[in-house]
Amino acid sequence: GESVGLHLPTLSVQEGDNSIINCAYSNSASDYFIWYKQESGKGPQFIIDIRSNMDKRQGQRVTVLLNKTVKHLSLQIAATQPGDSAVYFCAETSNTGKLIFGQGTTLQVKP
Amino acid sequence: EPEVTQTPSHQVTQMGQEVILRCVPISNHLYFYWYRQILGQKVEFLVSFYNNEISEKSEIFDDQFSVERPDGSNFTLKIRSTKLEDSAMYFCASSVGGPGNNEQFFGPGTRLTVL
Repeated sequence: GESVGLHLPTLSVQEGDNSIINCAYSNSASDYFIWYKQESGKGPQFIIDIRSNMDKRQGQRVTVLLNKTVKHLSLQIAATQPGDSAVYFCAETSNTGKLIFGQGTTLQVKP
Repeated sequence: EPEVTQTPSHQVTQMGQEVILRCVPISNHLYFYWYRQILGQKVEFLVSFYNNEISEKSEIFDDQFSVERPDGSNFTLKIRSTKLEDSAMYFCASSVGGPGNNEQFFGPGTRLTVL
């Protein structure tokens, strides 16, 4: 079936620390994964994506890791800032392009 | 920077009434989507649309729902007879490409409240 999930509903970190948000997916045929950030009252905002032929992809302060063996995806945010406070969703795309979202992890950044 | 826009930002309606949610996708995008998010829950796919027809729809997207691209800029979601459980945030999204080239840009959403 289709299922994308996150391990923790809430993650609280100190400003300046690194954050790691995890996601498990169940469909071994999934080949494209995306992380979205959703701030209060706004729509999901694309952060970074990764295809199944890659293990790691880096962006500005963010890194996504993909472990296909255990069907695990993670988002690492370096030097977390107050502006990073939001709900983070992992999502996978099907072969029709629809996004299947996980439940979301709320990241709280303490000053 | 181009963005997806949605109107209204908040719609309140009585159960059984029809509502139309409106979206203006990014102008050079060809693929359009509607998602919804019930308060505190994950975002759920409703429907995808390409070349003036539905590409895929979810189980949620029953006969009460319809989509239309009435002109070259708007993309609408109609709910014919709203139910209490239709209360949610509705997000429109668009992308340049479809499967395999699929960064979807989301609008700010319309909050639908059914009383």
